[in-house]
Amino acid sequence: QSALTQPPSASGSPGQSVTISCTGTSSDVGGYNHVSWYQQHPGKAPKVMIYEVSKRPSGVPDRFSGSKSGNTASLTVSGLQAEDEADYYCSSLAGNNNFVFGTGTKVTVL
Amino acid sequence: EVQLVESGGGMVQPGRSLRLSCTASGFSFGAYAMSWFRQAPGKGLEWVGFIGSNVYSGTTDCAASVKGRFTISRDDSKSIAYLQMNSLKAEDTAVYYCTRGRYQFDYWGQGTLVTVSS
Repeated sequence: QSALTQPPSASGSPGQSVTISCTGTSSDVGGYNHVSWYQQHPGKAPKVMIYEVSKRPSGVPDRFSGSKSGNTASLTVSGLQAEDEADYYCSSLAGNNNFVFGTGTKVTVL
Repeated sequence: EVQLVESGGGMVQPGRSLRLSCTASGFSFGAYAMSWFRQAPGKGLEWVGFIGSNVYSGTTDCAASVKGRFTISRDDSKSIAYLQMNSLKAEDTAVYYCTRGRYQFDYWGQGTLVTVSS
């Protein structure tokens, strides 16, 4: 199973928006709605920010939103805040109980 | 409050075995599937495997990279999930996380580091 493709970095000034893409295939992102996004600060465990493409767990600010079109999923962070600076990973069910992750994107708040 | 605490990590020689534990609290453990993930130093996340809830008779599955070497089990009476790792290789060096769920992973432990080195 190949990793999902994410841009290595993204950045924005406080208050701006940043969108991260996650490109897979019809065997993973395009074939299932089990697409999630995780935020990971250095030395910390991942935290789910979006699940099932666009659902937000309780406690996650509505500044975080997810979508999917074909084989590409996207995470948008609106109104960037300093605490949003972290690594972000997408993941998708890939059949046969397998999950595949993205290559990761480092978001920098300028 | 839901809590997951991994333990059992450490340094081990190639070819040896190690068993990780994930002790859960704050929820009805037996009603949930549990999953394991890992993250090699400086690398991305990798799904390791899962074990279903008692409703699904504890069905398990593991990633191809560890199948035949790693086994996942659970003790619902103690609220603990286990990851038995045999025939360890250098490439198994990683922080191992346990999570709650099979398709959505809403709670994660803090992770435990496994280093495979001679």
